[in-house]
Amino acid sequence: DSGVTQTPKHLITATGQRVTLRCSPRSGDLSVYWYQQSLDQGLQFLIHYYNGEERAKGNILERFSAQQFPDLHSELNLSSLELGDSALYFCASSAAWTVSSGNTIYFGEGSWLTVV
Amino acid sequence: LAKTTQPISMDSYEGQEVNITCSHNNIATNDYITWYQQFPSQGPRFIIQGYKTKVTNEVASLFIPADRKSSTLSLPRVSLSDTAVYYCPGGTGFQKLVFGTGTRLLVSP
Repeated sequence: DSGVTQTPKHLITATGQRVTLRCSPRSGDLSVYWYQQSLDQGLQFLIHYYNGEERAKGNILERFSAQQFPDLHSELNLSSLELGDSALYFCASSAAWTVSSGNTIYFGEGSWLTVV
Repeated sequence: LAKTTQPISMDSYEGQEVNITCSHNNIATNDYITWYQQFPSQGPRFIIQGYKTKVTNEVASLFIPADRKSSTLSLPRVSLSDTAVYYCPGGTGFQKLVFGTGTRLLVSP
């Protein structure tokens, strides 16, 4: 158990809909990261928040957005869903704002999103 | 922005030693090298981390040459349960957070 909690574990929704994925980081961690993993693709970095502020953006679509709240939990909002958005979405957390200097990232178990 | 490079896949048999090499051409002076392991339908998990020379823990060894432009993850006497994807994220800027496709290791009986 990494200490990172993601809900829901599974979600099935229709194209065009909007969903929200929730993440609670490990106790004391200020950084939250979101990743997307499709069957035929690797682990794609989406976005990084540190203590409520966006720190880095990766391959995140404009239809997707995220935020980190004062209690440090984070939400990933996916809108106008398409079939290709079906994937496993991971949240991860770390103590510091940078992964340099030995800062390790801890991943949750993921949220399975199926768009039909 | 350059990131790390590692083989897409490797095959091995139970009991053999497996070495997976990753190139870190743009590693920064203060960056550590970290390897992660991912089993199907699970999140990646930390395996080992080092800055230079050799690091060993109960799971693996990590070899880093003096120029730190590469690293080699060594798994001694692999078993079927070592079948997984192994990542060595790194690079400049947000590339440090890019895991990519990793190296898919398949261990056969």
